[in-house]
Amino acid sequence: GAGVSQSPSNKVTEKGKDVELRCDPISGHTALYWYRQSLGQGLEFLIYFQGNSAPDKSGLPSDRFSAERTGGSVSTLTIQRTQQEDSAVYLCASSTVGGNTEAFFGQGTRLTVV
Amino acid sequence: DQQVKQNSPSLSVQEGRISILNCDYTNSMFDYFLWYKKYPAEGPTFLISISSIKDKNEDGRFTVFLNKSAKHLSLHIVPSQPGDSAVYFCAAINTDKLIFGTGTRLQVFP
Repeated sequence: GAGVSQSPSNKVTEKGKDVELRCDPISGHTALYWYRQSLGQGLEFLIYFQGNSAPDKSGLPSDRFSAERTGGSVSTLTIQRTQQEDSAVYLCASSTVGGNTEAFFGQGTRLTVV
Repeated sequence: DQQVKQNSPSLSVQEGRISILNCDYTNSMFDYFLWYKKYPAEGPTFLISISSIKDKNEDGRFTVFLNKSAKHLSLHIVPSQPGDSAVYFCAAINTDKLIFGTGTRLQVFP
C-alpha cells in the first residue's frame, strides 16, 4: 500500500481480555516502530524491529505486552489480560533501513479497555 | 529518563507572527533530529529534519535550528497560519531508534 496501515482503527475490549493490533508497514521499509499515546501524554516508545528481529524491546510496559514481525513486513502487537491503563492510541511507524530517515506513521489504533 | 524534552506543553500565537517551538536533548550521540506535526485522530506526519553536522535547515515557512553545544533545537514557523494549529513533536535518532519529546500544542489564532 501507499502508506502505513493499522487495524483495527478502534477497539473496545473488556478488562482481562487479550487484544491484537496489526500494522502493515510501507513496502520495502525494514524498520518498524510501535508507540503509544495515552490521553494528554507524548509518544511513548514500545518496541523497534529491524527486519524480523527486535533489537530494542525496552519500552514494553510489562510482560503482558509482546510483538512479533513476520516476513519482514506485517507486525502484530499483542496485549494480554488488558487493563484500563492500557487504553491509548497505539501508533505504528516504518522507515527505510538506516537511521537518518524520517519514519511514516499509520493512523493508529484507539484502544479502550472498559 | 527523558532524553528529548519539550518543556512547553502549549503555545499560542497570533496569525502572521512567528511561532518558535523548543526542544532540548541530553544525549550527545544523537546525530539526526526531526520535527513531526500531529492533528487529532491522525498519526504524526514528518515536517522537517536536520543533521547534526548542520546548524540550520529551511523549508518554506519552516526553519529548524540546531545548537549542539547547548543540546537545543528549535522550530520556527513564519508566518504562522491557523492551519498550523497542531501538536508538534521533536524527535532524535540514536542507533536507528526514534525518540520523541512529549509534544507542544500550538494554537494559531486569527
